[in-house]
Formats: sequence, structure tokens, C-alpha cells
Amino acid sequence: EEQLGQSGAEVKKSGEFLRISCKGSGYTFTSNWIAWVRQMPGKGLEWMGIIHPGDSDIIYSPSFQGHVTFSADKSISTAYLQWRGLQASDTATYYCAKYEKEMEAFDLWGQGTVVFVSS
Amino acid sequence: DIQMTQSPSSVSASVGDRVTIACRASQDISGWLAWYQQKPGKAPKLLIYATSNLQSGVPSRFSGSGSGTDFALTISSLQPEDFATYYCHQTYSFPRTFGQGTKLEI
Repeated sequence: EEQLGQSGAEVKKSGEFLRISCKGSGYTFTSNWIAWVRQMPGKGLEWMGIIHPGDSDIIYSPSFQGHVTFSADKSISTAYLQWRGLQASDTATYYCAKYEKEMEAFDLWGQGTVVFVSS
Repeated sequence: DIQMTQSPSSVSASVGDRVTIACRASQDISGWLAWYQQKPGKAPKLLIYATSNLQSGVPSRFSGSGSGTDFALTISSLQPEDFATYYCHQTYSFPRTFGQGTKLEI
């Protein structure tokens, strides 16, 4: 069974570093792009960008570029989303999602990682 | 960026009703539109891809239509488990963008 398993909830302070993870299983992790999607409390979905775990090719949304960094370790089928300096406005649930090119859609989602940042 | 606008933002309906949710893109997206369903506290779930293709395992009461800039998701006969928030999503160009969501309430 294909799965994306995300790391657990985080409570951090403004200015701190954070890296959250997304581990794929049940499929060839290096064959599909992985996207990161933000959902602020009570709000809609925002596409942050996408990374190809096979070659670490990355496309950031302009809205997030410079504030977050994507990376991947294909040896352990894991993608990462990190912040060097968190802000209170980063409080949100973050989802990773597997992009299926034949569908041009996200056919598999992680369960989400809740990040709370206090000021 | 391509702006995606859904209407209505919320809709009240009853079990058995037929409901249609609209999604308009700010430019032609050549049919590259997907629909997702999200229930409270859960990850989104893919329903429809490339305008009208039903994802495996999704009930046939869900259907998608449209072209150019105007698209729609229709639920032919609402079931209790369909009450959720629905998002359209364009996959035509970067950055990918979502509609603001439509909350379907009882």
C-alpha cells in the first residue's frame, strides 16, 4: 500500500529552526514529485512548491521562496521542509503530497504535520 | 499566477440533493483541473483529475465537467459522508494554485 508518513506535531518559538519530514513507502519514491501544501488554521490550501526526490529538482511558489527550503534523501525515501527562522505566521498544518504525472494531480497525501509557533 | 475562484463559498443541502460547485480560472488552463475533498482534521482526498476523470475508488455520484476557464463538480445525490469542503486545483502552470474552497453543509 502506498503511504506518505509525516513527522509529528511541533511547538516552537519565533526565530527557531525547524525541519519536518515526509516518508514515502509502497512505491518508488524517486519516481514522483512531492509537493508541500500549507493550510493555516481555518483557511484553505496553499501550494508551497514541489521537489523531485530523484534529482532534487525544486520549484518554489514565489509566495514561499526564500522563507522555506525543500530537500530530500532518496536513500531513506524522505522529503523535508525546513525553516531557518520561524515566524508566528508559520503556524499551520503542512501536508506533503505525491504528484502523479499521468493524472496531473496529487493522488496520495500525508496525514499532515501541525506546526505551532509562538511569538 | 492563475487565480482560481470557487462559488459558492458555502452551500447548505440535504441528503439526496444534487449539488454543483463552480470553479473559474483567471485564464485558460486547458482542462488541467483537479478536485479534492477535505473533511475536518483530515488530509485532502483526490476526487477528479483532468476535469472529468474519476479517481479510483471514488463513487460515481461525483462528476466533473468544464473547459477553458469554467469548471464544475457535481454530486448527483448527496450522501451523509459527502458533507465536507471541496477545493479545485489548477495543474496547468506554476505556481499551482487552489480555489478558496466550498464548504458543503447539511
